[in-house]
Amino acid sequence: NAGVTQTPKFQVLKTGQSMTLQCAQDMNHNSMYWYRQDPGMGLRLIYYSASEGTTDKGEVPNGYNVSRLNKREFSLRLESAAPSQTSVYFCASSGTPQAGHQPQHFGDGTRLSIL
Amino acid sequence: KNEVEQSPQNLTAQEGEFITINCSYSVGISALHWLQQHPGGGIVSLFMLSSGKKKHGRLIATINIQEKHSSLHITASHPRDSAVYICAVAWNTGNQFYFGTGTSLTVIP
Repeated sequence: NAGVTQTPKFQVLKTGQSMTLQCAQDMNHNSMYWYRQDPGMGLRLIYYSASEGTTDKGEVPNGYNVSRLNKREFSLRLESAAPSQTSVYFCASSGTPQAGHQPQHFGDGTRLSIL
Repeated sequence: KNEVEQSPQNLTAQEGEFITINCSYSVGISALHWLQQHPGGGIVSLFMLSSGKKKHGRLIATINIQEKHSSLHITASHPRDSAVYICAVAWNTGNQFYFGTGTSLTVIP
């Protein structure tokens, strides 16, 4: 049972480099989410996708782009990495209808350091 | 501004103690979730509540919609319960979740 799979698990980048974080789920969920987790702060929503073909900004979208490639995959791209984007990134998915009433399933996280 | 408040931030308990973690929120919600984050970083969903009370093993979650407050109780705590417990709410509008900063629990043998 794979659930939500994130790659890579760790990454170190230099300021200005770009990279894409990959996320895939095998639970046939419509809703997918990207969060970042920083010390002393709760998980914060970067972008979410309520269904295939749609994406919406969350609380902290600046510096990121996303692609809902198909129902299974939701990628997060940093076009020009900045030290402020050093964080742990989590992908999650949930079923619908009423995604707020469905449990969220999380990936294992990606630890990203920007030097 | 974080509109989901958890208390306490840190909690240390002796094995066997009864533990309570609290979560308060500021506006109407459609659902509240309790999550557990293991020391290794993985996050799992424990409960989803929109009213009343739910129980799973030694874990009990309650919610009071009028008071905008939820509690997570752990009975007969065990060292394997050591983790960060996170409260998350889904507001009445939309399907986004907002998270508390978490309560770090350490249970000492």
